[in-house]
Amino acid sequence: ELKVEQNPLFLSMQEGKNYTIYCNYSTTSDRLYWYRQDPGKSLESLFVLLSNGAVKQEGRLMASLDTKARLSTLHITAAVHDLSATYFCAPLDQEYGNKLVFGAGTILRVKS
Amino acid sequence: NAGVMQNPRHLVRRRGQEARLRCSPMKGHSHVYWYRQLPEEGLKFMVYLQKENIIDESGMPKERFSAEFPKEGPSILRIQQVVRGDSAAYFCASSPAQGGNTEAFFGQGTRLTVV
Repeated sequence: ELKVEQNPLFLSMQEGKNYTIYCNYSTTSDRLYWYRQDPGKSLESLFVLLSNGAVKQEGRLMASLDTKARLSTLHITAAVHDLSATYFCAPLDQEYGNKLVFGAGTILRVKS
Repeated sequence: NAGVMQNPRHLVRRRGQEARLRCSPMKGHSHVYWYRQLPEEGLKFMVYLQKENIIDESGMPKERFSAEFPKEGPSILRIQQVVRGDSAAYFCASSPAQGGNTEAFFGQGTRLTVV
């Protein structure tokens, strides 16, 4: 069964700083998704990473996937307050039913 | 093209009542996934359905919970004899094909409160 570990679980940053969120998973998967969730809201798709070495960037966020290391990262550049939210990674469990398995989430707070 | 529609958005039930949560997938999507999110936690997979078929129900509690996705109409997640521990946000997602190369889009969720 695929297990997903995100860290850190809570991240408090100053505006303008850089930081990386890590997502490790336990079994082979070559598909991984990153989502953002604001309090009381649904999940907003940020990135879909479809192959080893995939790198995608949107604004101040950049996501990468290393399927050999079973690791994905979400890098935040020059954080701004609007990025405050909870971020989830979700690799695809291809061994058991092709379903997304979510990490516990990283709560990001960007302080002015 | 409307997104994934869930209703109701908020549902309050007394202990012992039944809760019925509905999910209408995006147009052209025939795969539906249900997830549960407890407060301050991530999403836990419950069940994966195609039209008229349950593909994977490994995350469904053994008792009181059932799901269906009929040929016509929305997918329904039914919780019988609700207990306080069932209070959570229930999200459904739909995709046009099985996992893999296609993306799953999430609905706004139904927030169930059991009093």
